[in-house]
Amino acid sequence: DAGVTQSPTHLIKTRGQQVTLRCSPISGHKSVSWYQQVLGQGPQFIFQYYEKEERGRGNFPDRFSARQFPNYSSELNVNALLLGDSALYLCASSTTGYNEQFFGPGTRLTVL
Amino acid sequence: KQEVTQIPAALSVPEGENLVLNCSFTDSAIYNLQWFRQDPGKGLTSLLLIQSSQREQTSGRLNASLDKSSGRSTLYIAASQPGDSATYLCAGPSGNTPLVFGKGTRLSVIA
Repeated sequence: DAGVTQSPTHLIKTRGQQVTLRCSPISGHKSVSWYQQVLGQGPQFIFQYYEKEERGRGNFPDRFSARQFPNYSSELNVNALLLGDSALYLCASSTTGYNEQFFGPGTRLTVL
Repeated sequence: KQEVTQIPAALSVPEGENLVLNCSFTDSAIYNLQWFRQDPGKGLTSLLLIQSSQREQTSGRLNASLDKSSGRSTLYIAASQPGDSATYLCAGPSGNTPLVFGKGTRLSVIA
């Protein structure tokens, strides 16, 4: 079975631009979560969606938004990019959101 | 609010050595704890999930324990190999946050 997939793999943007990251969960998983990981730190929680509803939101500004589609795939949008948004963005899926989380390979975002 | 701490931040051992990685957490109401491996620039690979009703989980050369009363979990790696070199992260849930992570332990196994 395919694992969690994310696209694109790498992305370079300039300050002020907008970016959309995509995630496809493992088949049968209804929960998707997003995390931001900066160099040398553990991942920080951004959003969790379950059955297309937002279940949780981390301490990130309103420039960050997300949604989940009927096929359970998800998009993370970041507006008005700042240099500090440069990071590895990770997506995780699970069946219920409360059990074992499986991560994708991540999207490396660089903001210049 | 859950806080997760991992000590040491970095560890270097010779090949073949048994080793223990430590993880401490502040919220003892945790209902599970997960250990991950991360290679540089890559995503996270789930190693073990321990439910709060369990005390240990084993997978191959890996054994993880969970002691909710003391707020501690350990990951034991037996007969370490150079291929085990990676960053190891522990994480547990807190409120609406599915996973709160520590900063990780960077492990180097020297041949």
